[in-house]
Amino acid sequence: AQTVTQSQPEMSVQEAETVTLSCTYDTSESDYYLFWYKQPPSRQMILVIRQEAYKQQNATENRFSVNFQKAAKSFSLKISDSQLGDAAMYFCAYRSAVGYGGSQGNLIFGKGTKLSVKP
Amino acid sequence: DTAVSQTPKYLVTQMGNDKSIKCEQNLGHDTMYWYKQDSKKFLKIMFSYNNKELIINETVPNRFSPKSPDKAHLNLHINSLELGDSAVYFCASSQPGSYNEQFFGPGTRLTVL
Repeated sequence: AQTVTQSQPEMSVQEAETVTLSCTYDTSESDYYLFWYKQPPSRQMILVIRQEAYKQQNATENRFSVNFQKAAKSFSLKISDSQLGDAAMYFCAYRSAVGYGGSQGNLIFGKGTKLSVKP
Repeated sequence: DTAVSQTPKYLVTQMGNDKSIKCEQNLGHDTMYWYKQDSKKFLKIMFSYNNKELIINETVPNRFSPKSPDKAHLNLHINSLELGDSAVYFCASSQPGSYNEQFFGPGTRLTVL
């Protein structure tokens, strides 16, 4: 079974600085998808960034980028120019590329990292 | 327009009661999910439905029964509520494709007293 590990329960960053959130995963599959979700206090789950395992190029979305190391099974999230609105729980998630009967598989989440942004 | 909606957003009830949470998506997606987020913020899949057929049931007690009247709705019915059922329940939906991105509802915070 696949597992996702986020080793940092809490992180803190100064406004305008850069922070990196760690995520490692365990799988025997070669094709899969990885995601970072943000959950602010409103509790809405918001997709931040996604990565396909077969793509070597790291995904980037504005101030958010990932460092995807497939061999090391590592998928870290870098937030540049941190803003107060970035304060939230961040969840790393894994999804198999092989679904059931042609449908999609469920997301497997890490336990989350609570990010605080200091003004 | 709200893509994935859930009702109610808050639900407070007594132990032993039966309650339902409704979920609707207007995205035309084929697959819908229920996730449970416990007090430690851990999110775990409960059910997945594809075209009204159950395809995943991750060792959830049979007091929980998902019901899908049509492709756009996936309701969660819970019988004989227990204290440990207190959590936030998220509905999500997705469509076959390269990413199969899941879109989440706003969550329902269930408190069992």
